[in-house]
Amino acid sequence: AQSVAQPEDQVNVAEGNPLTVKCTYSVSGNPYLFWYVQYPNRGLQFLLKYITGDNLVKGSYGFEAEFNKSQTSFHLKKPSALVSDSALYFCAVLNYGGSQGNLIFGKGTKLSVKP
Amino acid sequence: GAVVSQHPSRVICKSGTSVKIECRSLDFQATTMFWYRQFPKQSLMLMATSNEGSKATYEQGVEKDKFLINHASLTLSTLTVTSAHPEDSSFYICSASATGGKQETQYFGPGTRLLVL
Repeated sequence: AQSVAQPEDQVNVAEGNPLTVKCTYSVSGNPYLFWYVQYPNRGLQFLLKYITGDNLVKGSYGFEAEFNKSQTSFHLKKPSALVSDSALYFCAVLNYGGSQGNLIFGKGTKLSVKP
Repeated sequence: GAVVSQHPSRVICKSGTSVKIECRSLDFQATTMFWYRQFPKQSLMLMATSNEGSKATYEQGVEKDKFLINHASLTLSTLTVTSAHPEDSSFYICSASATGGKQETQYFGPGTRLLVL
């Protein structure tokens, strides 16, 4: 069964510093991996995805993620954090074996960027 | 880009009443839509997969008679919470995959906050 894990409930970063939000995955085949961001009382906004190709994926709002097959990780990164990046971040994997293409989400990591 | 809307965005109802939540794909056709439920400070859990013109597929533990799903057209899926109780209070989010599009490309609605008193 496919799954993703986000080991950190919360990440605190100072504005201007680099940020990393961790995600590891467990899949039986080639993973389709995603990052979404959720602002309070809002739906999910797509940030980026890895399907195939370059291990470094660039996405919206200056975010990027690196697919690491050997470590089964897909950490989200940004070189310089903004206060406005403060939100809830979800890592997800496409579920091949279950319903037709639903996403399986990690528990989420709250990112707090302080001025 | 593709837009998915949900209506209402927020609803408060009395215990025992039924509430209908609509999910619409505004600028694309969606053969498949997904309904998720999110409890406070928790992740999204898939409730069911809605397929246009056929019965929905429910995840284990989700009551079919409690959460009625109808996908009558390629742009609309509805979730009806029947005889709602306070424990049904949650944030309900739908997503849609474009017909003929890449399966991995899903577009999420803004969510519906349900509060049952």
